[in-house]
Amino acid sequence: NAGVMQNPRHLVRRRGQEARLRCSPMKGHSHVYWYRQLPEEGLKFMVYLQKENIIDESGMPKERFSAEFPKEGPSILRIQQVVRGDSAAYFCASSLLKGTDTQYFGPGTRLTVL
Amino acid sequence: AQTVTQSQPEMSVQEAETVTLSCTYDTSENNYYLFWYKQPPSRQMILVIRQEAYKQQNATENRFSVNFQKAAKSFSLKISDSQLGDTAMYFCAFMKNSGAGSYQLTFGKGTKLSVIP
Repeated sequence: NAGVMQNPRHLVRRRGQEARLRCSPMKGHSHVYWYRQLPEEGLKFMVYLQKENIIDESGMPKERFSAEFPKEGPSILRIQQVVRGDSAAYFCASSLLKGTDTQYFGPGTRLTVL
Repeated sequence: AQTVTQSQPEMSVQEAETVTLSCTYDTSENNYYLFWYKQPPSRQMILVIRQEAYKQQNATENRFSVNFQKAAKSFSLKISDSQLGDTAMYFCAFMKNSGAGSYQLTFGKGTKLSVIP
């Protein structure tokens, strides 16, 4: 059973460009979570999605950031007009059941904004 | 809001020895879950162990065990017979069981563990 897949693993963008990060959950998992890890920090929750629904986006910055998890295809975290402060590792996790089921993480996408 | 504190930024242990990583948390919740995740140099986040707060028995997974003290809000991780592959950042995490934000993991800042040959 393949684990959580994320691509790209590394992404370089110039200030003002858009970044799209993709996450394919484990087979059978329909709950996806996005976290951000700044250098020397722990992971911080951003958003929780189920298929076609955003359940909790309390950790998402109010502007420039959006997330979706369509009926078909991977979950997408989109960052518009990136700034240097967006440079971080972005991790996706998935769970089989909602709520307090264990979350399994992907390898992360390291975003560098020049 | 919940907070998770890992007071040891870095630790080292000799191969085959035992080491304990500390974690404390602050919450007003009664039902919650606690986790230890490992992040090796590859940066992949790997689940080490999970503990349900309603269970008095401490969780164990092979060489990994926890000391869960609910009243003290303490959740330490013991690694026995340390191996070179245990070298990693270790993160303690909290998840509450109900109410708003109950699906979020709240992480500590991590403890960098080095296993010395």
